[in-house]
Amino acid sequence: TQLLEQSPQFLSIQEGENLTVYCNSSSVFSSLQWYRQEPGEGPVLLVTVVTGGEVKKLKRLTFQFGDARKDSSLHITAAQPGDTGLYLCAGERETSGSRLTFGEGTQLTVNP
Amino acid sequence: GAGVSQSPSNKVTEKGKDVELRCDPISGHTALYWYRQSLGQGLEFLIYFQGNSAPDKSGLPSDRFSAERTGGSVSTLTIQRTQQEDSAVYLCASSPDGRGGYEQYFGPGTRLTVT
Repeated sequence: TQLLEQSPQFLSIQEGENLTVYCNSSSVFSSLQWYRQEPGEGPVLLVTVVTGGEVKKLKRLTFQFGDARKDSSLHITAAQPGDTGLYLCAGERETSGSRLTFGEGTQLTVNP
Repeated sequence: GAGVSQSPSNKVTEKGKDVELRCDPISGHTALYWYRQSLGQGLEFLIYFQGNSAPDKSGLPSDRFSAERTGGSVSTLTIQRTQQEDSAVYLCASSPDGRGGYEQYFGPGTRLTVT
């Protein structure tokens, strides 16, 4: 059983469309991070959210942490081909220290 | 500055052989993590080092896997008697502090293929 359920697993859209990726769990996390990974490279941190209900914006990307700190979403507005990549959510649990629990990832393809 | 480096970038080995994977963390980072990423999957935690404390080995999948970190810097992940299911990308990350909330900086990974 995956501790962090990420959906959808694959997403292929046209340039200019909007999309949302979801990360859900039955466990509470002290913080949740979103990473983007390109082929042949390690994941790169996009954002960390730590407060229930928190919303953070990074240009066209909006990240939200659920009030109960069990779920999160990533919304991309007007997607561009450069947004193509594997998006991963990862959570820290208070009982697990700084080790991260990762979701399975969402492979996003933005077609020109 | 220099990021996390890993070597080799690719390793092909025969089933039953031992392999060693190396990670050079960012200088000054006290925390070091190893993860495994199978095709199309998220990352699976393997082991975590923080300073001189005993490592958290709770993610190692079997006793064929071991890791050490010498001098609080370079780390080596060793897989003995490799099996085909060990094929994956092995990622190393380092962090300025082992406490929660600090960013983990990832290396490019070592792609291991067991034939």
